Amino acid sequence: EAQVTQNPRYLITVTGKKLTVTCSQNMNHEYMSWYRQDPGLGLRQIYYSMNVEVTDKGDVPEGYKVSRKEKRNFPLILESPSPNQTSLYFCASGRVAGGPSSYNEQFFGPGTRLTVL
Amino acid sequence: RKEVEQDPGPFNVPEGATVAFNCTYSNSASQSFFWYRQDCRKEPKLLMSVYSSGNEDGRFTAQLNRASQYISLLIRDSKLSDSATYLCVVISPTNAGNNRKLIWGLGTSLAVNP
Repeated sequence: EAQVTQNPRYLITVTGKKLTVTCSQNMNHEYMSWYRQDPGLGLRQIYYSMNVEVTDKGDVPEGYKVSRKEKRNFPLILESPSPNQTSLYFCASGRVAGGPSSYNEQFFGPGTRLTVL
Repeated sequence: RKEVEQDPGPFNVPEGATVAFNCTYSNSASQSFFWYRQDCRKEPKLLMSVYSSGNEDGRFTAQLNRASQYISLLIRDSKLSDSATYLCVVISPTNAGNNRKLIWGLGTSLAVNP
């Protein structure tokens, strides 16, 4: 089954304790992205990757890191989480057609609900 | 002005009603447009792409008005299962002009009532 998986689905942690949220897709997509979604603010892009070893900042990258060592995986790292990073996080992937600046349908993972105390 | 704007709603309609949402965008050079559906606490899923000539998928019709810079989604014969938030996505050039970015609207909430 074609899918995007995220782990963990739910996480409660404390300020300053490093954490990683994993994201994996089995559709051989070039493009992967991380979003956070907060009430009243909608989906905001954190980082994205057009292909292996190519990552770029989105709109709200502060406090996050990513890596893209393999095509299928795109982990999100919070080196020192803070309460303002409490949010619902989505990973997404998609095929890039018509060159590196084109986007097609994005497929989303089920989301990770993170609470930082 | 926000790059992409949607009426947040909520839209409360009875079953069988026809309802329409608009999504306005500020960059006239925007190239691609999509409607996504998001159920409560679930991930967004693509509902339909929006083509220049307009397109229809069953009870759903999407249209693009480049002159007025908006896209629309029309839902006919609303079902209870249509209750969700509808997000528009616009692909626009970046300020540098050599790349594209996805811009998400905040979504329009629809509640279809029995």
